[in-house]
Amino acid sequence: GAGVSQSPSNKVTEKGKDVELRCDPISGHTALYWYRQSLGQGLEFLIYFQGNSAPDKSGLPSDRFSAERTGGSVSTLTIQRTQQEDSAVYLCASRRTSGSTDTQYFGPGTRLTVL
Amino acid sequence: GENVEQHPSTLSVQEGDSAVIKCTYSDSASNYFPWYKQELGKGPQLIIDIRSNVGEKKDQRIAVTLNKTAKHFSLHITETQPEDSAVYFCAASTGSARQLTFGSGTQLTVLP
Repeated sequence: GAGVSQSPSNKVTEKGKDVELRCDPISGHTALYWYRQSLGQGLEFLIYFQGNSAPDKSGLPSDRFSAERTGGSVSTLTIQRTQQEDSAVYLCASRRTSGSTDTQYFGPGTRLTVL
Repeated sequence: GENVEQHPSTLSVQEGDSAVIKCTYSDSASNYFPWYKQELGKGPQLIIDIRSNVGEKKDQRIAVTLNKTAKHFSLHITETQPEDSAVYFCAASTGSARQLTFGSGTQLTVLP
């Protein structure tokens, strides 16, 4: 079946502009995660959505970062007033929570470059 | 919070040899340990995982071992092939949210 999809695959923006990154999880997956991967680094947790519960925003690095998940499916990560240090690959993952399932499936990521 | 350390950062092996990557974790409550393979330009893909009630798990050429007492776990790849070349990440998680804390990654190169 279809995996996690993300758009755009690449985004180049100027410092100070706002950007929106989109994630379409696997159908039926109620848990959705955003991670950030800086060049040559591991993945850093940003935010977690589970069903209708309040999201876990504990990983967001600043108040310029926000995310929403509409209708329990598609999620959008928004970065306001982008800075050069925001340049990274932003990865989305989803997980089926029915049954004892732990596996997170990742999308291909959005490579963000802030000039 | 959880901290995961991964070694080595780079590893080169000859085709057919074995490769071992090691990770340690800090939170004794962590109970799920996946390994991901990431090829250039792609998202991480799960290759094997282990839960804390198991000490070892094997899937063809790939195996993972877990030592809960020492809080470390390892990935073993036998009979390596050039297509095994990629970046490998270990991770640990706890709780129902299953939020993952990742190691910093190992660039594995299999030389033909």
